[in-house]
Amino acid sequence: GQQLNQSPQSMFIQEGEDVSMNCTSSSIFNTWLWYKQEPGEGPVLLIALYKAGELTSNGRLTAQFGITRKDSFLNISASIPSDVGIYFCAGLTNAGGTSYGKLTFGQGTILTVHP
Amino acid sequence: DTGVSQDPRHKITKRGQNVTFRCDPISEHNRLYWYRQTLGQGPEFLTYFQNEAQLEKSRLLSDRFSAERPKGSFSTLEIQRTEQGDSAMYLCASSAVHSYNEQFFGPGTRLTVL
Repeated sequence: GQQLNQSPQSMFIQEGEDVSMNCTSSSIFNTWLWYKQEPGEGPVLLIALYKAGELTSNGRLTAQFGITRKDSFLNISASIPSDVGIYFCAGLTNAGGTSYGKLTFGQGTILTVHP
Repeated sequence: DTGVSQDPRHKITKRGQNVTFRCDPISEHNRLYWYRQTLGQGPEFLTYFQNEAQLEKSRLLSDRFSAERPKGSFSTLEIQRTEQGDSAMYLCASSAVHSYNEQFFGPGTRLTVL
């Protein structure tokens, strides 16, 4: 089945530093999504990407849809303590008219920001 | 505009008991999804509905699991004869038909099976 590999698994950074994380897949996805999850809560949608090569920003967050359609990247600039959480990538495929609804998630990147 | 809501937020039950969770999607979202998340992992897809029709089920959804969305609004997920391996966070998400790629999640129901 489809699998997403996210790296790094965890990051410990100082406030103000920039953060980069990525997600790779063995399969092509038509849509890439990035979510943030805090303890005891559901994932919150940060950015959605729809086209290969697309670069999209949401405040201090920037994400890119890889041109091979098998990877995606998320950058956070000038990190702040409230950026702490688990960041998940997720891919969606509608190849062959099936699985229109199924998101496949990575394992997550745990981000810790030291003040 | 309220987000996706789930009830209860926490459930503790004994092995062998039946449990039922409810999800209320964002108003006018006609797609509703159920996922399961275990500690240290990303959410895993279980099933989804478009209106009242259940369009896809994962192999993770054993015969003990059943989901319904009878009127195309709220949904219930029932687990019969719970097992300790069912302990997880059960997440519900919804999306609008014209932007189904963007799924918005509820806060989840944390199930603990003793």
